[in-house]
Amino acid sequence: DIQMSQSPSSLSASVGDRITITCRASQSITTYLNWYQRKPGKAPKLLIWGASNLQSGVPSRFSGSGSGTDSTLTISSLQPEDFATYYCQQSYSTPVTFGGGTKVEIK
Amino acid sequence: QVQLQESGPGLVKPSQTLSLTCTVSGGSISSGFNCWSWIRQPAGKGLEWIGRVCTSGNMNSNPSLKSRVTISVDTSKNHFSLNLTSVTAADTAVYYCARGPGFDFVYWGQGILVTVSS
Repeated sequence: DIQMSQSPSSLSASVGDRITITCRASQSITTYLNWYQRKPGKAPKLLIWGASNLQSGVPSRFSGSGSGTDSTLTISSLQPEDFATYYCQQSYSTPVTFGGGTKVEIK
Repeated sequence: QVQLQESGPGLVKPSQTLSLTCTVSGGSISSGFNCWSWIRQPAGKGLEWIGRVCTSGNMNSNPSLKSRVTISVDTSKNHFSLNLTSVTAADTAVYYCARGPGFDFVYWGQGILVTVSS
């Protein structure tokens, strides 16, 4: 199985901040990397697919980059509704696997 | 707009079979080539892909669970189901059903908490 690790596991930030979350795969996954946002009691929401493609309806302040083993999710200007937990997921090979999550909290 | 909704018992006894159903609305489960997945998240842990069934009839599952998992589709009821046998407390989790395209999970159910306890 491909192992996915995220860093940091949590961070505190203020509204308007720019934040970056990193995801690392145990082997190359090219750009088969997705990012999800999950809020308490809600289902995960796909934000970015294929490492850098913004899912329809997702605000442009979210962006993704990377290929190979390392990817990043950036929120350019954090909004109150962005406080949530973010997960990366590789879709390169089965079983698909997820990172452990990064919880973004209000500073 | 495709919507998914999980249903099933919230409490299952150890060694028994966990059975969940995901009802699809807003579209036919058999239209196009789609695959329908189950994903779970134990409390305080990460997300784990359990497996999927495709409209072609193919099913594949996570090798960590493979011998215990069956996922099937009932096109007449527009739903798909998960059976997980010989459950233990480690199977306690929120279970989600989801759909791609492929492994890009765009559509998710709200999730259902299943507790394994006597």
